Amino acid sequence: EVQLVESGGGFVQPGGSLRLSCAASGFIFSDYTMNWVRQAPGKGLEWISHIDYRGTTIYYADSVKGRFTISRDNDKNSLYLVMKSLRAEDTAIYYCAIWDCGSNSCWFEHWGQGALVTVSP
Amino acid sequence: SYELTQALSVSVALGQTARIMCGGNNIGSKNVHWYQQKPGQAPVLVIYRDTNRPSGIPERFSGSNSGNTATLTISRAQGGDEAVYYCQVWDSNNVVFGGGTKLTVL
Repeated sequence: EVQLVESGGGFVQPGGSLRLSCAASGFIFSDYTMNWVRQAPGKGLEWISHIDYRGTTIYYADSVKGRFTISRDNDKNSLYLVMKSLRAEDTAIYYCAIWDCGSNSCWFEHWGQGALVTVSP
Repeated sequence: SYELTQALSVSVALGQTARIMCGGNNIGSKNVHWYQQKPGQAPVLVIYRDTNRPSGIPERFSGSNSGNTATLTISRAQGGDEAVYYCQVWDSNNVVFGGGTKLTVL
């Protein structure tokens, strides 16, 4: 069974930093591109970052570029997101998700349960 | 940038057919994916590439896509289908989500 388990969420003051982790199991982690998607309270879904299976191709949404860093450790079957210079608008549930593609399109095959990040004074 | 438009809410009587639409400019030329999100839970993929169901998704869920509208159809709607449904496309190397439609089963 595919499992993605996020951890590392919590309360942080504006300007602070936080590191999220996503532990993967039930599939060959090193074969898959992974993403982070977030959801602000009561709002819709927002893609924020993407890392390919080798960790060499990385993309960020403009809203987090320069502040967030995605990485992965295939030996540990883990995905990470380091978040710096956090703002109130970064408050959200952060999901890690498996990325799949076909026929020139891509989608999120499976999602973790999410980690809540709250940025507040 | 590409935009997807969804109605805020849709209601359907128990056992009837619900249709949730996703609008976009010439969306029929793209592949559309659909996610179901129940309260307090993570999203779940229910349709990918317009019409394909992942394993474990009931046959009651189906999709179509043509012109400027993609449609998620839920036949014989059940109380357990109450959720927010999001459409998503991949456009110019960008992920685009619709705003989500809340489905209420009456």
